[in-house]
Amino acid sequence: DTGVSQDPRHKITKRGQNVTFRCDPISEHNRLYWYRQTLGQGPEFLTYFQNEAQLEKSRLLSDRFSAERPKGSFSTLEIQRTEQGDSAMYLCASSSGTVAFFGQGTRLTVV
Amino acid sequence: RKEVEQDPGPFNVPEGATVAFNCTYSNSASQSFFWYRQDCRKEPKLLMSVYSSGNEDGRFTAQLNRASQYISLLIRDSKLSDSATYLCAVNKVSNYQLIWGAGTKLIIKP
Repeated sequence: DTGVSQDPRHKITKRGQNVTFRCDPISEHNRLYWYRQTLGQGPEFLTYFQNEAQLEKSRLLSDRFSAERPKGSFSTLEIQRTEQGDSAMYLCASSSGTVAFFGQGTRLTVV
Repeated sequence: RKEVEQDPGPFNVPEGATVAFNCTYSNSASQSFFWYRQDCRKEPKLLMSVYSSGNEDGRFTAQLNRASQYISLLIRDSKLSDSATYLCAVNKVSNYQLIWGAGTKLIIKP
């Protein structure tokens, strides 16, 4: 499968725990995006990488959130001290132009 | 005002009918426009890009109206399998970030 891959698909965690998600983009894509989506809403931008450089970060992203793309390939998104409001689908997308292709997402439930 | 707006629906449409919905955007300098389809609890999947001249793919037709700043999606001869949420996305001019509408829910009834 040469599409965008995300791991894990589902994560249930207790409030206050840290979680980390991984995204493997389509190999030739230099741009990688993280989005968050809640029920009934469109994807909400979190952050964007071009190669290994994090070029933009949403103001909505609190300091509990951090993302990396160390070698310009896969990326990780970490949420520290999770809160119930963090429960959402976390989507990763990659592109080489203007069209973005999504992974299947990681559904996070904070209990 | 949101940067990209869509009627959330739901649009309840009988099978075989034609349905159309719009998506308005606020940034007149936007360059690229897309329709994505999202099934329940799945990721968005690209349905079609929207070109200035409009484009058609089978039963689906997308149009861009720059003067009024909206894009449209027309589905002809609707099928039960067309039931989904249709998201529009508009390219943010300063980078390649996409700005998303909240989606229009379409329900095709037998």
